[in-house]
Amino acid sequence: AQTVTQSQPEMSVQEAETVTLSCTYDTSESDYYLFWYKQPPSRQMILVIRQEAYKQQNATENRFSVNFQKAAKSFSLKISDSQLGDAAMYFCAYVLLFGGNEKLTFGTGTRLTIIP
Amino acid sequence: EAQVTQNPRYLITVTGKKLTVTCSQNMNHEYMSWYRQDPGLGLRQIYYSMNVEVTDKGDVPEGYKVSRKEKRNFPLILESPSPNQTSLYFCASSPRSALGSYGYTFGSGTRLTVV
Repeated sequence: AQTVTQSQPEMSVQEAETVTLSCTYDTSESDYYLFWYKQPPSRQMILVIRQEAYKQQNATENRFSVNFQKAAKSFSLKISDSQLGDAAMYFCAYVLLFGGNEKLTFGTGTRLTIIP
Repeated sequence: EAQVTQNPRYLITVTGKKLTVTCSQNMNHEYMSWYRQDPGLGLRQIYYSMNVEVTDKGDVPEGYKVSRKEKRNFPLILESPSPNQTSLYFCASSPRSALGSYGYTFGSGTRLTVV
């Protein structure tokens, strides 16, 4: 079974600084997608960034970028120039393509606090 | 606006009183799924549906039922709620043609408390 591990339950960063959230996953498959979701106090699940496993190039979305290490099964999220609005719970998630269910498997989350 | 609509947003109920949480999507998505979110456990899949009249269990299906009579609707039914079903529930949908590859569209969540 696939598992996703987020080893940092809580992180904090000074406003305007850079922070990296860690995620590792376990799978024997080769075709999959990885995601980072943001959940602010509003509870809404917001897709931050996605990465296709077959692409070696790391995905970026404005201030958000990932460090995807397929061999190490690692998928960390870097947030540059942190803003107060980045304060949220962040979930790493994995989906196996063509596996039948194609369910999202989530990590346990990292709560990010931004210090003004 | 493309969206997944869940109702109610908050619900407090008593043990054993049947309840239904509704979920509706307006994107013509074939795939729909229910998750529950609990502190320290992340989100776990309860049930999913690949299309109308096709449903199957996820990782934590005990105590829940679903139905998919129409493509847009995927209600979650708790026949006899118990306090361990107190949780935050999310409905999500995705098109089969891009199943999983763009993540899912999530509803805004239902906070359920069973006393």
